Amino acid sequence: ELKVEQNPLFLSMQEGKNYTIYCNYSTTSDRLYWYRQDPGKSLESLFVLLSNGAVKQEGRLMASLDTKARLSTLHITAAVHDLSATYFCAVSPNTGNQFYFGTGTSLTVIP
Amino acid sequence: ETGVTQTPRHLVMGMTNKKSLKCEQHLGHNAMYWYKQSAKKPLELMFVYNFKEQTENNSVPSRFSPECPNSSHLFLHLHTLQPEDSALYLCASSLAGGISSYNEQFFGPGTRLTVL
Repeated sequence: ELKVEQNPLFLSMQEGKNYTIYCNYSTTSDRLYWYRQDPGKSLESLFVLLSNGAVKQEGRLMASLDTKARLSTLHITAAVHDLSATYFCAVSPNTGNQFYFGTGTSLTVIP
Repeated sequence: ETGVTQTPRHLVMGMTNKKSLKCEQHLGHNAMYWYKQSAKKPLELMFVYNFKEQTENNSVPSRFSPECPNSSHLFLHLHTLQPEDSALYLCASSLAGGISSYNEQFFGPGTRLTVL
């Protein structure tokens, strides 16, 4: 079974600071997804990464994928309170329709 | 209605009850999914349907029974559940079409289920 590990699990950071969330996975895949979940809400798609070296940016968030290292990163630049949420990465193997989610990173941005 | 909708949003049931969760997508997708989200556990994929055909069943107990009458609707029939089945049940949909498929999933708001 494919394993997806995220770290850190909990992250408390001050506004204006930078930080990176890591997502490691255990099998070959070119399909990596990042989601955001606010408390009591559903999952919102942030990024879809479909090839080695893919990099996508939206506002203060930037995601990248290294398929050889089986690693994706979600970088937060100059954090603001509105980014407080739980962030999940998910991996789908190159064949089939399975999705495997990480345990999530609970981010709290402190003013 | 837009996106993915789920009803009911909250459900409390006894262990001997039978109930159903409903999911509907308005995105023109051809794949639908049921997930279980429990506290302190990763999101667990339960069932996958492609073009109304079940393609994945991740060792889910038979007290959960999915039904997909068409590409837009997905049900999860529940019977004789256990308290440990209490969780948030999320439905998702996507376009699915092979190895190079984009496959981005769009999630519904979820049904918060409590089994007494």
